[in-house]
Amino acid sequence: EPEVTQTPSHQVTQMGQEVILRCVPISNHLYFYWYRQILGQKVEFLVSFYNNEISEKSEIFDDQFSVERPDGSNFTLKIRSTKLEDSAMYFCARTDHPGLAGQETQYFGPGTRLLVL
Amino acid sequence: DAKTTQPPSMDCAEGRAANLPCNHSTISGNEYVYWYRQIHSQGPQYIIHGLKNNETNEMASLIITEDRKSSTLILPHATLRDTAVYYCIAQGGGADGLTFGKGTHLIIQP
Repeated sequence: EPEVTQTPSHQVTQMGQEVILRCVPISNHLYFYWYRQILGQKVEFLVSFYNNEISEKSEIFDDQFSVERPDGSNFTLKIRSTKLEDSAMYFCARTDHPGLAGQETQYFGPGTRLLVL
Repeated sequence: DAKTTQPPSMDCAEGRAANLPCNHSTISGNEYVYWYRQIHSQGPQYIIHGLKNNETNEMASLIITEDRKSSTLILPHATLRDTAVYYCIAQGGGADGLTFGKGTHLIIQP
């Protein structure tokens, strides 16, 4: 099963700046997730997105974050005003059969390493 | 989703079978047991999943106890490239975000 690809692989930004992370589906996937992993910590769920709408979001996903599919293909995570603690790996994942028991396998991209200075 | 418990770390000799345990005593009837692994800082990689029957694929085997309160992931012939953090996750029907624990850091020794 092909995963998704993510761009950029690395991003360095100044505190307070906006960043956009992109998830590029291999084919016409509709159901996506964003996760983050702060260095040395657990992988944490941020948000799921289905058919151009947020399906579920965690407490971490506050007003600073937004997701959209601006051109019908790429799936983006925007962080409006970055903080030092936003430095982390950000992973995009997809699933092919959301809601079908036993078929919700998630396939992850390689991640974007974000460093906020 | 049910909470899972895994040992923080394990060692295994290269070429031997690696057996990674997972406890999920509160698993509900509709929750599957999924295993993922993360090599260094790469994205988590799906390995295998099952409900109550034992499962095998090209990567691993999954043994689930009859009461479904625990399971074991088996890598039959571990290689150095299998060194990674292995996560056991109980996931019910739905498309919820995954809840990752700390997993088991498996170190394959040459």
